Amino acid sequence: DGGITQSPKYLFRKEGQNVTLSCEQNLNHDAMYWYRQDPGQGLRLIYYSQIVNDFQKGDIAEGYSVSREKKESFPLTVTSAQKNPTAFYLCASSTIAGTEQFFGPGTRLTVL
Amino acid sequence: KQEVTQIPAALSVPEGENLVLNCSFTDSAIYNLQWFRQDPGKGLTSLLLIQSSQREQTSGRLNASLDKSSGRSTLYIAASQPGDSATYLCGNAGGTSYGKLTFGQGTILTVHP
Repeated sequence: DGGITQSPKYLFRKEGQNVTLSCEQNLNHDAMYWYRQDPGQGLRLIYYSQIVNDFQKGDIAEGYSVSREKKESFPLTVTSAQKNPTAFYLCASSTIAGTEQFFGPGTRLTVL
Repeated sequence: KQEVTQIPAALSVPEGENLVLNCSFTDSAIYNLQWFRQDPGKGLTSLLLIQSSQREQTSGRLNASLDKSSGRSTLYIAASQPGDSATYLCGNAGGTSYGKLTFGQGTILTVHP
C-alpha cells in the first residue's frame, strides 16, 4: 500500500534530550513537510523540503532540525532548545510543492 | 501574513441535515485551498482540493467552493451522517508559499442519530 508512515506513534522525552521523529513515504513525492498541532489549534509549519538535499524553515523552526538525504525520508529532530515540545507532530508529502498534500498518522510527543 | 479563520468552532446537528462550514482568509493571492478531515488522535485525510483557477469541487456528498475576491471558502455536506463526525480543517496555500499550508483552527462537527 502506498502511503506515509510515521514512527513512533507515541514518544516520551526527558527535558534536555534530543529526539528524532521518523517520516517515510513510498508515494514517490518530491515535496515533504513537517507540521506541529497543539490542542484546539490548527497546524503550523516547522520545515519543508521541495527536493532531496534541500529544505527550508517554516513558521516555527526554532528548536528543530531536519535532513533530506533520501527522497522517501524526512526525519525531524526535536532538540533541547525547543522550549515547549509537547505536541502532535504530522508529516505530509505532495508530488511537487503546491499540489495536494497527504498526511501521515502523526507522532504524539510528550516531555516528562 | 496569511491568516485563516474557521467558523463555527463547533457544530452539532441531527442526522440528515445539510450543513455549511466556513473558511475565511486574509490574502486573496492563494495558490490552492484544501479541506481536510481529522478524527481524534489521527492524521489528516484530504477531502477536496480547489485550485486558484477553480470555483468549486465536488466529491460525493461534499462540495467545496472558493471565492477569492471575498476571501472565503465553504464546505457543504449534504445529508449528514454520524460517521461525518470529526474536525474539519481548511488549509490555504498562499500565492508564493511553494505549497506551505496555513491552517484554520478547525470546526468540530458532531452529527447525532
